[in-house]
Amino acid sequence: EDKVVQSPLSLVVHEGDTVTLNCSYEVTNFRSLLWYKQEKKAPTFLFMLTSSGIEKKSGRLSSILDKKELFSILNITATQTGDSAVYLCVHGGSNYKLTFGKGTLLTVNP
Amino acid sequence: EPEVTQTPSHQVTQMGQEVILRCVPISNHLYFYWYRQILGQKVEFLVSFYNNEISEKSEIFDDQFSVERPDGSNFTLKIRSTKLEDSAMYFCASKWEETQYFGPGTRLLVL
Repeated sequence: EDKVVQSPLSLVVHEGDTVTLNCSYEVTNFRSLLWYKQEKKAPTFLFMLTSSGIEKKSGRLSSILDKKELFSILNITATQTGDSAVYLCVHGGSNYKLTFGKGTLLTVNP
Repeated sequence: EPEVTQTPSHQVTQMGQEVILRCVPISNHLYFYWYRQILGQKVEFLVSFYNNEISEKSEIFDDQFSVERPDGSNFTLKIRSTKLEDSAMYFCASKWEETQYFGPGTRLLVL
């Protein structure tokens, strides 16, 4: 069974801090590793990673994948209160079936 | 920007009743999915649907569940005889290229 493990499960920081969220995975037939942000309801897409060592960047968020060591990290620099959310690491498998980690609950305090 | 929509946003039902959760995927998307998230737990895959048939389903998706695309726009999840443990948030998603886009969810409460 595919497994995605995230750490930490929760994190509290102050505005302006930089955070790193971790994700390790054990899956068969790796296709892609995705990051989603879940605020109140629906997960919203952040990044998809398929190749090792190539950083994806969007504003203050960036992510990188290491396919040899089977992990990914999501970095958020200069955090803002609006970054408070659950960040989900997800494996996209065959038939594009998604396997989710439990998520990291990030709380950014003013 | 087009989005996946779901109705109703909340549904309360009695155990043993049938419920139908509705989704309108983004038009021109061809792959559709249902996921559920029990309160406090992770999001779990239920079923994927392509070309008017199920392409993959999880162990959760037993005979009590069915999916249908009755017309060109709706994608439904039916639970025939609800159980207490079916209480969860149900998310619909549709896929474009490699990315799945999620609807806002239906919160189902079985009493």
